[in-house]
Amino acid sequence: DSGVTQTPKHLITATGQRVTLRCSPRSGDLSVYWYQQSLDQGLQFLIQYYNGEERAKGNILERFSAQQFPDLHSELNLSSLELGDSALYFCASGEQDYEQFFGPGTRLTVL
Amino acid sequence: AQKVTQAQTEISVVEKEDVTLDCVYETRDTTYYLFWYKQPPSGELVFLIRRNSFDEQNEISGRYSWNFQKSTSSFNFTITASQVVDSAVYFCALSEATETSGSRLTFGEGTQLTVNP
Repeated sequence: DSGVTQTPKHLITATGQRVTLRCSPRSGDLSVYWYQQSLDQGLQFLIQYYNGEERAKGNILERFSAQQFPDLHSELNLSSLELGDSALYFCASGEQDYEQFFGPGTRLTVL
Repeated sequence: AQKVTQAQTEISVVEKEDVTLDCVYETRDTTYYLFWYKQPPSGELVFLIRRNSFDEQNEISGRYSWNFQKSTSSFNFTITASQVVDSAVYFCALSEATETSGSRLTFGEGTQLTVNP
């Protein structure tokens, strides 16, 4: 158990819908990262937050947004969902230059 | 831009064989970190090791060992006396930890290791 929790574990929704994925980092970790794992793109970095502020952005679509709250939990919002958004979404937390510990992931299926 | 290449897409071995997973990376920075993660069939990503660019000492942890060679930009992972439970996808990753890139991980495409009984 990495200490990072993600909810929900599975999510099935329809095209055009909006979903919110939630992540609670390990106790004491200020950085939260979001990654997407899909068959065609592999594991890709989406976005990083550090103590509530956006720190770095990767290949995150404009339809996607994230935030980190004062209690350090983070949410990833995916809107206008398309079939191609079906993927495993991971949250990770850790120190900036140290290990990134990953949560169990949320498997999103868009039908 | 940073890049990680895991040339072996799939490897299949018989239990008790030794197996080496290759990882080659590209980066322009002098300070960076290399990682290996394991993804078993259940899907979670399990951290195995982190190495910083200034520490080329090889590391051994039980049946696992890692060989970091800066001269060839490689960070290879060897499992000795493989077991069926080692069957998983293994990812090599690179982090540059810069002001603009944060400390994002760039992953290789992964190597699917199957250990047969």
